[in-house]
Amino acid sequence: GAVVSQHPSWVICKSGTSVKIECRSLDFQATTMFWYRQFPKQSLMLMATSNEGSKATYEQGVEKDKFLINHASLTLSTLTVTSAHPEDSSFYICSAEADRGETQYFGPGTRLLVL
Amino acid sequence: DAKTTQPTSMDCAEGRAANLPCNHSTISGNEYVYWYRQIHSQGPQYIIHGLKNNETNEMASLIITEDRKSSTLILPHATLRDTAVYYCIVRVADATNKLIFGTGTLLAVQP
Repeated sequence: GAVVSQHPSWVICKSGTSVKIECRSLDFQATTMFWYRQFPKQSLMLMATSNEGSKATYEQGVEKDKFLINHASLTLSTLTVTSAHPEDSSFYICSAEADRGETQYFGPGTRLLVL
Repeated sequence: DAKTTQPTSMDCAEGRAANLPCNHSTISGNEYVYWYRQIHSQGPQYIIHGLKNNETNEMASLIITEDRKSSTLILPHATLRDTAVYYCIVRVADATNKLIFGTGTLLAVQP
């Protein structure tokens, strides 16, 4: 149990385009989902926390207008990287928890390359 | 947020126990210790967590000192597939319950 999926697993796009990444909890309902970013040889950095049906809470330094998060249902959250630039190239990972304080389970990650 | 300190890297022989230490001297009484691992180019995998008592599951054992200022993750019989970065995380005890990742320990299991 506790499986989280992400789609796509990797994406290559041109600079200036927008990219949407989906995060799904497959066998449980997630009241809260988290989005992380990881650059090569670095640790995971929390970008934002999203709760179903409400606006996401962004970490300091993360542009909310650039990284749009939608948590429309208890099993789906999406991250849209708007007007992507090469510096947005990274490994994006989501996690989900069934209830507040429960164990977070992570997706396999989405590798984004912006040319 | 309670910070954790872990060695940057460790080696372990295949088939032997791997003992990964973690210091969290500023942990609060209601904060849990979580362990995750990340195999190269994958999302983190949950291993185990605990508050005060030692814990064991099918993957590992977690030993927490009585003063809760440090803990040790034990993989009883390490295999090559256990090579990964292991993260010890103190879970923030507020409304967000965030996980703040440190740099972790790169465990290299040697044949």
